Parts: sequence; structure tokens; C-alpha cells
Amino acid sequence: EDQVTQSPEALRLQEGESSSLNCSYTVSGLRGLFWYRQDPGKGPEFLFTLYSAGEEKEKERLKATLTKKESFLHITAPKPEDSATYLCAVQARSTGNQFYFGTGTSLTVIP
Amino acid sequence: EPEVTQTPSHQVTQMGQEVILRCVPISNHLYFYWYRQILGQKVEFLVSFYNNEISEKSEIFDDQFSVERPDGSNFTLKIRSTKLEDSAMYFCASSAEAGQFGETQYFGPGTRLLVL
Repeated sequence: EDQVTQSPEALRLQEGESSSLNCSYTVSGLRGLFWYRQDPGKGPEFLFTLYSAGEEKEKERLKATLTKKESFLHITAPKPEDSATYLCAVQARSTGNQFYFGTGTSLTVIP
Repeated sequence: EPEVTQTPSHQVTQMGQEVILRCVPISNHLYFYWYRQILGQKVEFLVSFYNNEISEKSEIFDDQFSVERPDGSNFTLKIRSTKLEDSAMYFCASSAEAGQFGETQYFGPGTRLLVL
């Protein structure tokens, strides 16, 4: 069965303290891995799509990387406005277009 | 920037009542989806829709659920006889295509459904 696991569940950082969030996956044939940001009571906001091992994408203070088993979302010098839940989702060749989401990492950045 | 919109933002209903959740996907997208998120849990796939028919559905999407694209812009999710456990945030999403490689799905702001 396809699985997506995110860690840690929650992370508190001081402003400027860099860290990484992890998304490990076991799927039959990865079509894509997607990172989203979700603010409380809102819909997932698209951040990155990664397709193959070794791929990296960057946007402002965020950088996403992908290996054959996991993806990391690196946050460099975070600011309080980066506080949100970060969701990882995968799409597998064996299961069509549906996304499998992890439970997310709740990030709090303290000023 | 184009975005997915959903109405209503909140819906309160009595158990056994029918509800219709509405979505306007991004205008040039061809694939439409419904997901739900029970409070504190992960986002779960319900159904995908392409070319006016369901292309995939999950075990959650049983006979009480239906989807429709009544016109060129709206995409609806109907729950025929709501249950307490249907209380959740429902998200609509759309993607431009769904080829060999994963195609990004863009999500709406959600409809919070509360069944009493």
C-alpha cells in the first residue's frame, strides 16, 4: 500500500534558525512529489513539484530536494510568516491521478 | 493569478439532509478533484473527474456522494443524506492535464461542512 510519512509532526524554530522537514514515501512508481503550505482553515497552497531523484527546486527561503525514498523541505533563516503546516503529497503510477497526502509538519517560527 | 474558488465557505446542516458544495476550477483546466480533511487528519482523496465522467474514486466516495459539471464552469459535490461523520473540510482541486508525469493540482479554499 502506498504510504507517505512526514516528520517531525511539529517544529518550533527561532527566527533565523534553519531546519529541514522530511517526507518519506513508499509508492509503486512515483509520478510526482508535491509540497504544499496550508494555513489554518485554508486550502493547500502549492509550493513545489519534484519528479525524479536528484531534483531540487527553490523559492525564497524554501528549497525542496528529492531522493528515491524521501524528500526534504529545507527552510533557511525562517521568518514568523513562514509559520504554517507543510504538506507533502505523492502521485503514483499505480493509482492514477489521486494524491496521497502525509499528515503534515506544523511549523512555528518564533520572533 | 487564476485560482480555484469554492462556495459556500461554511455550511451547517442537519443529519439526513442533502448538501451541494460548489467549485469553480481554473478556467483552462481539464481535470477536477474533490478531497476532504477531517479536523486534525490528513487530506484524503474522494474523486477525480474528466471529460464529464468520474475517472477515479476512493472507498470513501460511496453511493451517497455524486459529482457533476452542470455547465462550463462549475463542478459540484452532492452528499445525498449527510451523516455526522461527513463533517469535514471539503477541498476542490483542478489540474491542467494528467500525463505520464505528475501534474500539479491547485486547491480551493475549502468548504467547512458541519453536520448536526
